[in-house]
Amino acid sequence: KNEVEQSPQNLTAQEGEFITINCSYSVGISALHWLQQHPGGGIVSLFMLSSGKKKHGRLIATINIQEKHSSLHITASHPRDSAVYICAAGGGGNTPLVFGKGTRLSVIA
Amino acid sequence: KAGVTQTPRYLIKTRGQQVTLSCSPISGHRSVSWYQQTPGQGLQFLFEYFSETQRNKGNFPGRFSGRQFSNSRSEMNVSTLELGDSALYLCASSFGQGGDTQYFGPGTRLTVL
Repeated sequence: KNEVEQSPQNLTAQEGEFITINCSYSVGISALHWLQQHPGGGIVSLFMLSSGKKKHGRLIATINIQEKHSSLHITASHPRDSAVYICAAGGGGNTPLVFGKGTRLSVIA
Repeated sequence: KAGVTQTPRYLIKTRGQQVTLSCSPISGHRSVSWYQQTPGQGLQFLFEYFSETQRNKGNFPGRFSGRQFSNSRSEMNVSTLELGDSALYLCASSFGQGGDTQYFGPGTRLTVL
């Protein structure tokens, strides 16, 4: 079993839909990271959170430490949100980041 | 501020050769981490350097090595290349060590023939 599990693996949505991507982890963490990777490889860090909820524009990330679960929500999705979203757990001390396999999101106009 | 830069962006090598990849972090960042990304395994941690010291190493064979210089620039080296080493190699820098927000470079795509 992977230490970081993401679901779904693939997601197709219509423009404007509300999207949720889930991440469960079994490793100890100092923070949970959400990353976005566009075709061509570039990775952008969206959120780093260790508790509660963070919001940036149409993106919201939540984490439940007790349940070892995090969600990434995209409101009013747009075709430019099409990318692979990756969660990563760990970091801090002697624990390097462990990555989920990613969720490939396609938003259709 | 300039972002993280990696050179070269693309590289083709043959089995048995060795390769050196370079990463220049964001100015002021002292931590550099290296990752390997393949379609099958996804992103995997290679190593992390902070102030010229290797802090962590992932589960990769000894053919993979790295170092960090006093200006925080980092290099990774892969010796005796194998076909399975074909991957996108990404470096990321952060101000502090460990769990800080990481800023990724564009990656070096290595193809081993």
